[in-house]
Amino acid sequence: EAAVTQSPRSKVAVTGGKVTLSCHQTNNHDYMYWYRQDTGHGLRLIHYSYVADSTEKGDIPDGYKASRPSQENFSLILELASLSQTAVYFCASSEGTGLSAETLYFGSGTRLTVL
Amino acid sequence: GQQVKQSSPSLTVQEGGISILNCDYENDMFDYFAWYKKYPDNSPTLLISVRSNVDKREDGRLTVFLNKSGKHFSLHITASQPEDTAVYLCAAGMNQGGSAKLIFGEGTKLTVSS
Repeated sequence: EAAVTQSPRSKVAVTGGKVTLSCHQTNNHDYMYWYRQDTGHGLRLIHYSYVADSTEKGDIPDGYKASRPSQENFSLILELASLSQTAVYFCASSEGTGLSAETLYFGSGTRLTVL
Repeated sequence: GQQVKQSSPSLTVQEGGISILNCDYENDMFDYFAWYKKYPDNSPTLLISVRSNVDKREDGRLTVFLNKSGKHFSLHITASQPEDTAVYLCAAGMNQGGSAKLIFGEGTKLTVSS
């Protein structure tokens, strides 16, 4: 059973519109992440969080906000969607401590197309 | 600049052969190195990982070699199978108060031909 669930699986948005991508994990992990995947760039970290009600900027945070209202939920918000934000977005979680702290467990991804 | 780089976007290997995937990194503070496998339209999953205190780790057909002085690590897949065909993402990170905050390479698409 999927432990990291993303919704929606795909979305088409208009330029300038607001988009919210949701992620829910049942791993009881402290850390959650949002990555985007583009051809030729692999996975790039947008935002992450290590505790509820707190988020941190990743490597490419511009144009994105994040929200972590609870340990289980982590959202990515595009206030003004742009064409350049067309990509596949992956949410992930990790333990954060212990021997396997760094192992990321990914959701199935959300394919976002901005027109 | 790209902190973790996979210079080969694609690789084709004959079934039964050895697949060698390479990854270079810039930050000599990285102390954790991993390889993830991704099938099309699926999420990446961890294949194998090592910490910087070892130079090699084996797990079945998979071996990770770490060359710290050269800032390079590689994944060797022996007896390659058609089901090994996928995109392989290398990743590196350093433990910062709990989370390694992994940096990923661009990915190498491996095709194992039968």
